Amino acid sequence: AQSVTQPDIHITVSEGASLELRCNYSYGATPYLFWYVQSPGQGLQLLLKYFSGDTLVQGIKGFEAEFKRSQSSFNLRKPSVHWSDAAEYFCASGGSNYKLTFGKGTLLTVNP
Amino acid sequence: DADVTQTPRNRITKTGKRIMLECSQTKGHDRMYWYRQDPGLGLRLIYYSFDVKDINKGEISDGYSVSRQAQAKFSLSLESAIPNQTALYFCATSDFRAGGGADTQYFGPGTRLTVL
Repeated sequence: AQSVTQPDIHITVSEGASLELRCNYSYGATPYLFWYVQSPGQGLQLLLKYFSGDTLVQGIKGFEAEFKRSQSSFNLRKPSVHWSDAAEYFCASGGSNYKLTFGKGTLLTVNP
Repeated sequence: DADVTQTPRNRITKTGKRIMLECSQTKGHDRMYWYRQDPGLGLRLIYYSFDVKDINKGEISDGYSVSRQAQAKFSLSLESAIPNQTALYFCATSDFRAGGGADTQYFGPGTRLTVL
């Protein structure tokens, strides 16, 4: 069965610092990978997705993620965090069918 | 995503009451989903529908039922609400992805349900 692990429940960074949120997936074949962001009181917004091709994926709001098959990882990065990036971030994976499996989320706090 | 709307946004009810949560979308997608979100557990799939005549159980369907009234509408019902159904409920939609593989899902703003 597929699984997605986000090892960090809560991360705190200073505004302007770089950010990396970790995501590890478990799936036999090449998965389809997604990052979503949930701001307080809001629904989930798609940041970026990986289906195939270039392993470095650019998303909205200055985020990027890199697919590393050897590490079964799809970590999310941003070079300089803004206070408005404070939110909860979810990694998700999908396989050969419709179904998405979500990680439990990483809550990001940004200090001024 | 403004293309996916959910009503109500907040609801407080009592144990044993029947509750319906509604989802509408203007994205023209065939596929619709209901998830619940609990703190520390991420999102779990309750039901999904690939078209009006195709409805399927997800991983946590017990205590819930759904109705797909039209391509654009997908309702979730709690026949007899219980306190452990207190959660944030999300509707999502996706378009079939040619060539197979997981679809990109687009989420509504959520309904916060409290069962007392």
